[in-house]
Amino acid sequence: SQQGEEDPQALSIQEGENATMNCSYKTSINNLQWYRQNSGRGLVHLILIRSNEREKHSGRLRVTLDTSKKSSSLLITASRAADTASYFCAEGGSTLGRLYFGRGTQLTVWP
Amino acid sequence: NAGVTQTPKFQVLKTGQSMTLQCAQDMNHNSMYWYRQDPGMGLRLIYYSASEGTTDKGEVPNGYNVSRLNKREFSLRLESAAPSQTSVYFCASSPGQGLNQPQHFGDGTRLSIL
Repeated sequence: SQQGEEDPQALSIQEGENATMNCSYKTSINNLQWYRQNSGRGLVHLILIRSNEREKHSGRLRVTLDTSKKSSSLLITASRAADTASYFCAEGGSTLGRLYFGRGTQLTVWP
Repeated sequence: NAGVTQTPKFQVLKTGQSMTLQCAQDMNHNSMYWYRQDPGMGLRLIYYSASEGTTDKGEVPNGYNVSRLNKREFSLRLESAAPSQTSVYFCASSPGQGLNQPQHFGDGTRLSIL
């Protein structure tokens, strides 16, 4: 299976703290994407980082990619209760448009 | 903007019954996908359609068929439902131009097979 792995499986923090989630993958990638899923809803795309990029920012999100270690991390700064959700990484490989999703990290942010 | 619309939102079937899950997107995307999401397993690709007129198997295609009816619509059919197909099913679409494409998801169909 090409399914990657997120770490940790669950993360619980207070509002205002930073949240870091990690993703390890197995194969060569063209891009690595992060998605958020609120309870009972579909996935929402957050950020895409290409294989030749090392870091990318979007608002309070910071994503890093280390292709030598086949790993990526998602940092959410100054977390809010509304950030409570599951976060998934997805590997974009050589097959047009096809993504391989990890099992996700459940983030809970307490007010 | 509706984005990706899935119907129905919930369904309960008996073992052996058949059913078609509907998906439509209004973003003029070329590629469409069907996933299933099970607890602890993440999303697994069932079938995908890179462009209108083409379909390909994903990781878990057994027990399913798909039809790319036109550019907007991509349906998933369970011919003889089994309890192992109890899951949440998500449809997604992407522009399909090149390799680096975010996917847009519907809100899912929650399917229970008794």
